[in-house]
Amino acid sequence: DVKVTQSSRYLVKRTGEKVFLECVQDMDHENMFWYRQDPGLGLRLIYFSYDVKMKEKGDIPEGYSVSREKKERFSLILESASTNQTSMYLCASSPQGQGDEQYFGPGTRLTVT
Amino acid sequence: AQTVTQSQPEMSVQEAETVTLSCTYDTSESDYYLFWYKQPPSRQMILVIRQEAYKQQNATENRFSVNFQKAAKSFSLKISDSQLGDAAMYFCAYMRGNDMRFGAGTRLTVKP
Repeated sequence: DVKVTQSSRYLVKRTGEKVFLECVQDMDHENMFWYRQDPGLGLRLIYFSYDVKMKEKGDIPEGYSVSREKKERFSLILESASTNQTSMYLCASSPQGQGDEQYFGPGTRLTVT
Repeated sequence: AQTVTQSQPEMSVQEAETVTLSCTYDTSESDYYLFWYKQPPSRQMILVIRQEAYKQQNATENRFSVNFQKAAKSFSLKISDSQLGDAAMYFCAYMRGNDMRFGAGTRLTVKP
């Protein structure tokens, strides 16, 4: 079974803090994704990576950055957390092919106070 | 940009009955993929069913089937013989290349 894990299920941070969310997949997938999930808005893509050290902006990259130094690990960084970044963050991975299923992690619920 | 619309924020169904969740999308492309994902309460999102746009035949997976109407840009999910374990948020998604779009979701309640 494909396993995608995220470093924390729940996280509480203060405004202005630097926040790291980590995601690890164990199936040698090429692609990795970070989404933000908000009620009534569904999932919105923040960044994705199709190879080590490669990244592409999604729909809402402002206020976020990412790092992929190893194939299995994709990190989301909030340089200076703000209250409007309080949300559920989902990581996903997929093989390289067109139309491949994405495999999701359990999510990190981040609260910024 | 492509958009995905799920017009039913909430649906409910009696156990053993059939329910249909609606999804429409907007695209000018002819080659793409459509998905339904399920997110049970406090559990990971998983794939329910996948449809390739160039295939006219509707995808089926056991009790789950889709009604794919390409011209109408409609992609509804039918769940037959609903079970308590089907209770979840259901997301419709569109993919072309690395562009993946999700709808806002439909929360399905299954009544015993």
